[in-house]
Amino acid sequence: DAGITQSPRYKITETGRQVTLMCHQTWSHSYMFWYRQDLGHGLRLIYYSAAADITDKGEVPDGYVVSRSKTENFPLTLESATRSQTSVYFCASSDFAGMGSNNQPQHFGDGTRLSIL
Amino acid sequence: SQQGEEDPQALSIQEGENATMNCSYKTSINNLQWYRQNSGRGLVHLILIRSNEREKHSGRLRVTLDTSKKSSSLLITASRAADTASYFCATGNNDMRFGAGTRLTVKP
Repeated sequence: DAGITQSPRYKITETGRQVTLMCHQTWSHSYMFWYRQDLGHGLRLIYYSAAADITDKGEVPDGYVVSRSKTENFPLTLESATRSQTSVYFCASSDFAGMGSNNQPQHFGDGTRLSIL
Repeated sequence: SQQGEEDPQALSIQEGENATMNCSYKTSINNLQWYRQNSGRGLVHLILIRSNEREKHSGRLRVTLDTSKKSSSLLITASRAADTASYFCATGNNDMRFGAGTRLTVKP
């Protein structure tokens, strides 16, 4: 089925470990995004990508690494996890419509709930 | 910092009543989007209103935009229990900014 899928849905890890969250979309959308959602902060943009091999920092990029070797995949890596990175992570995608991505709706996955002990 | 900020933070109404949520933002925009999030799920796009539009309708949803006041409102008419969710406004260019949302509870 077409859509955007995130894996895993739940993850528990320890401080200092590396963890990668996966995101895959089947629409061939140009833009992909990673957000974190914390109580009291709403969604905050971590990184986004306008196309394969093009990534840009969002509002809260520190401690995260992304790559986009293929249009359909946009993994997010926490190289050395910290407790402050405990959160729910959402991946989203949107089509290209000129003048940036904001002219098109974003389509969200169901999130990865990450707990760092 | 958040670009859009919703008000109120929480809203509880009876089924059949109307629900109004407001969004304020800080900088000039090309458009503004509203999203809904059911518990434990990702956000779902509801409606996009462009900066040159003042009002837009989609089913039971009505969105208004006042660029002079840098504010928008989302009205849900004849609410249903299934409308219970959090609602977010979002603005920005490539780096979309979401507010903290309004949590709407519709009691049957």
